[in-house]
Amino acid sequence: QQPVQSPQAVILREGEDAVINCSSSKALYSVHWYRQKHGEAPVFLMILLKGGEQKGHDKISASFNEKKQQSSLYLTASQLSYSGTYFCGTEMEYGNKLVFGAGTILRVKS
Amino acid sequence: DVKVTQSSRYLVKRTGEKVFLECVQDMDHENMFWYRQDPGLGLRLIYFSYDVKMKEKGDIPEGYSVSREKKERFSLILESASTNQTSMYLCASSLLIGRGYGYTFGSGTRLTVV
Repeated sequence: QQPVQSPQAVILREGEDAVINCSSSKALYSVHWYRQKHGEAPVFLMILLKGGEQKGHDKISASFNEKKQQSSLYLTASQLSYSGTYFCGTEMEYGNKLVFGAGTILRVKS
Repeated sequence: DVKVTQSSRYLVKRTGEKVFLECVQDMDHENMFWYRQDPGLGLRLIYFSYDVKMKEKGDIPEGYSVSREKKERFSLILESASTNQTSMYLCASSLLIGRGYGYTFGSGTRLTVV
């Protein structure tokens, strides 16, 4: 079952923060986050495993609330290079495949 | 640098043709996947394979088949192409499904069926 991402699109100015959410109606084992720039392949950002951990590198981090089956991606002090479409992918508790959300289009303006 | 290579960037085929999309990975990954990407729908899983000669249906397998004769190569076959199969097709691979390993995607094949 496809996870639900919100918002569908967001426009920021450089230096502003953004949060992208991903929720599932099923029990999850892991959540992946990917970024896809126009005309390019999706690129893996990070994975969060069951256990409610938070991860991050540089100014992009994510959390996973396994009780609510929700994950959030946090982009801090956004840069122009953050523009793209962000996808979450969810793996169910005993699943063996990744199901992706519809994506969130992020545009950072100078 | 690890790579997933898709043989064609753009393809135009006629309705009813048999179409082969090829994908090769050089990372010795166990798992390979075929997704199609359509605006507003995200990436939808067509088929995946966790071992040579093994295949599993994804969420939208109708009208497609796959072949994995060698570990590094995973082919998607459109038995009789139709216009509703016009889409971007993405191949991906991973060492292990989930469990801390991300997917590496190819650059995609944009297929147009006329």
